[in-house]
Amino acid sequence: GQNIDQPTEMTATEGAIVQINCTYQTSGFNGLFWYQQHAGEAPTFLSYNVLDGLEEKGRFSSFLSRSKGYSYLLLKELQMKDSASYLCAVDNYGQNFVFGPGTRLSVLP
Amino acid sequence: EAGVAQSPRYKIIEKRQSVAFWCNPISGHATLYWYQQILGQGPKLLIQFQNNGVVDDSQLPKDRFSAERLKGVDSTLKIQPAKLEDSAVYLCASRIEREQYFGPGTRLTVT
Repeated sequence: GQNIDQPTEMTATEGAIVQINCTYQTSGFNGLFWYQQHAGEAPTFLSYNVLDGLEEKGRFSSFLSRSKGYSYLLLKELQMKDSASYLCAVDNYGQNFVFGPGTRLSVLP
Repeated sequence: EAGVAQSPRYKIIEKRQSVAFWCNPISGHATLYWYQQILGQGPKLLIQFQNNGVVDDSQLPKDRFSAERLKGVDSTLKIQPAKLEDSAVYLCASRIEREQYFGPGTRLTVT
């Protein structure tokens, strides 16, 4: 079976740091993606992890532990425009993507 | 480079009516996906094409949904007849190498 879990909602303050967790159990694994989706818009690519460890990209970082089936997205120096849903997706053997339910992040002033 | 194009952007129909969505992927992208995204949930894969062949349609409700990609380029997704629970955003995505690129989606409301 395939199961991806994320917290439903999170709230943080402008300028703060927030960590969004993702746990997964999938039949195949060829990498993990994080997407950002603003309300009413299509998902846009944020990061990709295939090996264990941390990938840093400006204010966003993503971490993967394959042995634990665990990833997180770290957002630093939060801005109001970061209010969005964040989707964790597992690349299933390079064939298709399995998306998690998404975490809705609200950034407050 | 042009992105993934979808039309229409919005559609309102009554239950039991039919509807069709169109997608034109990024040029050269062999893999095309259709997803259904219900409000507050992540996208759910409906069907995946590799060129004009179907790779995965295990989650497509085949009694009412159909999709084709006859020439391996653009694709259409059809629902016939629609049900209330089909109200969702239908996202098309195309892929080359590792990353998927999403279109703007079609928001379907079934009344």
